[in-house]
Amino acid sequence: AQTVTQSQPEMSVQEAETVTLSCTYDTSESDYYLFWYKQPPSRQMILVIRQEAYKQQNATENRFSVNFQKAAKSFSLKISDSQLGDAAMYFCAYRSARETSGSRLTFGEGTQLTVNP
Amino acid sequence: DAGVIQSPRHEVTEMGQEVTLRCKPISGHDYLFWYRQTMMRGLELLIYFNNNVPIDDSGMPEDRFSAKMPNASFSTLKIQPSEPRDSAVYFCASSSTPGFVTEAFFGQGTRLTVV
Repeated sequence: AQTVTQSQPEMSVQEAETVTLSCTYDTSESDYYLFWYKQPPSRQMILVIRQEAYKQQNATENRFSVNFQKAAKSFSLKISDSQLGDAAMYFCAYRSARETSGSRLTFGEGTQLTVNP
Repeated sequence: DAGVIQSPRHEVTEMGQEVTLRCKPISGHDYLFWYRQTMMRGLELLIYFNNNVPIDDSGMPEDRFSAKMPNASFSTLKIQPSEPRDSAVYFCASSSTPGFVTEAFFGQGTRLTVV
């Protein structure tokens, strides 16, 4: 079974600064997808960024980028120019590419990000 | 599309009562998931359906929990009888068939409080 670990329960960053959230995972599979979801106080789960394991290039979405290290099974999220609206719980998630596994997501424990003005 | 729609947003019930949570997935999605979120256990997958058929219910905690998907546009999660330890936020999510790079889209969740 796959596991996802987020070792930072809480992080804080000054507005306009950069912060990196860590995520590691364990899998025996070679083909999979990784995601970062954001959960603000409204509790809505919002996709931030996705990464396909077969792609070497790190995904980028505006101020959000990832550092995907497949051999190390590491998938960190970098938020540049942090904004007050980035304050939320961030979840790292894994999804197998095997059809027999369906589309289930395995989540990490979450990292609570605080943005200080 | 309005996204995944869950109802109710909040539910407060007394221990022993039956609770039914409802979900309407995004049209065209063939996978539907029920997750539970608690402080202690984080996000847990309870059950998921593919084309209205339950595929894996190994995450359902007890026989008191049951889920159905009578058609492609509706699913329910029922707890009978409810207990205080069932208090949590329950999320429904839907997605498309694997093979496409697609995330799961989540509803806004139902916050259940059992007193």
